[in-house]
Amino acid sequence: DVKVTQSSRYLVKRTGEKVFLECVQDMDHENMFWYRQDPGLGLRLIYFSYDVKMKEKGDIPEGYSVSREKKERFSLILESASTNQTSMYLCASSLGHDGKYEQYFGPGTRLTVT
Amino acid sequence: GESVGLHLPTLSVQEGDNSIINCAYSNSASDYFIWYKQESGKGPQFIIDIRSNMDKRQGQRVTVLLNKTVKHLSLQIAATQPGDSAVYFCAETIAYSGAGSYQLTFGKGTKLSVIP
Repeated sequence: DVKVTQSSRYLVKRTGEKVFLECVQDMDHENMFWYRQDPGLGLRLIYFSYDVKMKEKGDIPEGYSVSREKKERFSLILESASTNQTSMYLCASSLGHDGKYEQYFGPGTRLTVT
Repeated sequence: GESVGLHLPTLSVQEGDNSIINCAYSNSASDYFIWYKQESGKGPQFIIDIRSNMDKRQGQRVTVLLNKTVKHLSLQIAATQPGDSAVYFCAETIAYSGAGSYQLTFGKGTKLSVIP
């Protein structure tokens, strides 16, 4: 089974802090994604990566950056956390070829910025 | 079915009945579709997928139907159980034709409540 893990289930940070969210997948997937999920807005793509050291902006990249130094690990960085970044953050991975396009999700990190 | 708004569409079914959850997808070029289940406090879980060269696919207690003419997808759950209570949402992408995309476009979701 594909396993995607996220470093924290719950996180509380103060406005202005730098926040790191870590995601690790164990299935040698090429693609990794970061989403945020808010009531009524569904899943919104922040950034994705299709290879090590490669990254692409999603629909809402402002205020975020990412890092992918190793294939299995994809980090989301909030440079200076703000209250409007309070949300559920979901990481996902997919193989992205050979008919395997489905994304597998981690359990999520619920971030509260106060 | 799914819609934009602050409140998720809700479907309430009696335990043991069949459930049908609908999704209207947006891109006529999409050729791959997925249904996800998300339980409270958890990440979305893959249920079943279907390619556009099929109009029906069956899994364990679930069936997905695809109508490309009207861009409609449905998920049928047979003999619904309390453990099926969750938010269900569909996703679409262009995976097989031309320049594919790595990205999925997700619907907003439908909340299924199973009455014991």
